[in-house]
Amino acid sequence: QKEVEQDPGPLSVPEGAIVSLNCTYSNSAFQYFMWYRQYSRKGPELLMYTYSSGNKEDGRFTAQVDKSSKYISLFIRDSQPSDSATYLCAMSGTGNNRKLIWGLGTSLAVNP
Amino acid sequence: GAVVSQHPSRVICKSGTSVKIECRSLDFQATTMFWYRQFPKKSLMLMATSNEGSKATYEQGVEKDKFLINHASLTLSTLTVTSAHPEDSSFYICSATWTGQRETQYFGPGTRLLVL
Repeated sequence: QKEVEQDPGPLSVPEGAIVSLNCTYSNSAFQYFMWYRQYSRKGPELLMYTYSSGNKEDGRFTAQVDKSSKYISLFIRDSQPSDSATYLCAMSGTGNNRKLIWGLGTSLAVNP
Repeated sequence: GAVVSQHPSRVICKSGTSVKIECRSLDFQATTMFWYRQFPKKSLMLMATSNEGSKATYEQGVEKDKFLINHASLTLSTLTVTSAHPEDSSFYICSATWTGQRETQYFGPGTRLLVL
């Protein structure tokens, strides 16, 4: 079993839709949870960063962490064509040598 | 803020030659830089972690003699692919962070390497 599971999609939605992206994980030691957006042939861009459980909102984006279920989500409200990209989840534990464990990424297409 | 640049963005080279990729943090001091490799439709694969002034820590399976990493200053790290072969063709991405913010890595735009 992979440490982080993420459905690669592709996911196609109409403009204005609410998008839900998810990752599951198996390592209960993970404490930091991140969502990155990656446009084609570009480096990833940090979107959301959450420590431990709970929700975090930033504009049209909401990140949720449910540590009891080992499940994290990213919601995009009022999706725009410019949101079309690959969304990667990443997470890590604690300690000096912690490193990020990445999901495969979900490809999202928002159609005008 | 937190801008990371990479150069070159794209490079084509002949098999057997060496290629150097630069990663710079433009508006912050990067105590730690990371080098990743990404294959099409695959996730990021961490190659090595580089701390300024120290030897890089390589991930299992990554040949340190083939992928030379230097982090000589707080704003610059270089990755040199030595004696490149076609199987080294890939998308190489660096990221940088500052002390205490290891989880919030800021990524460069990537370098696409094609070895003929």
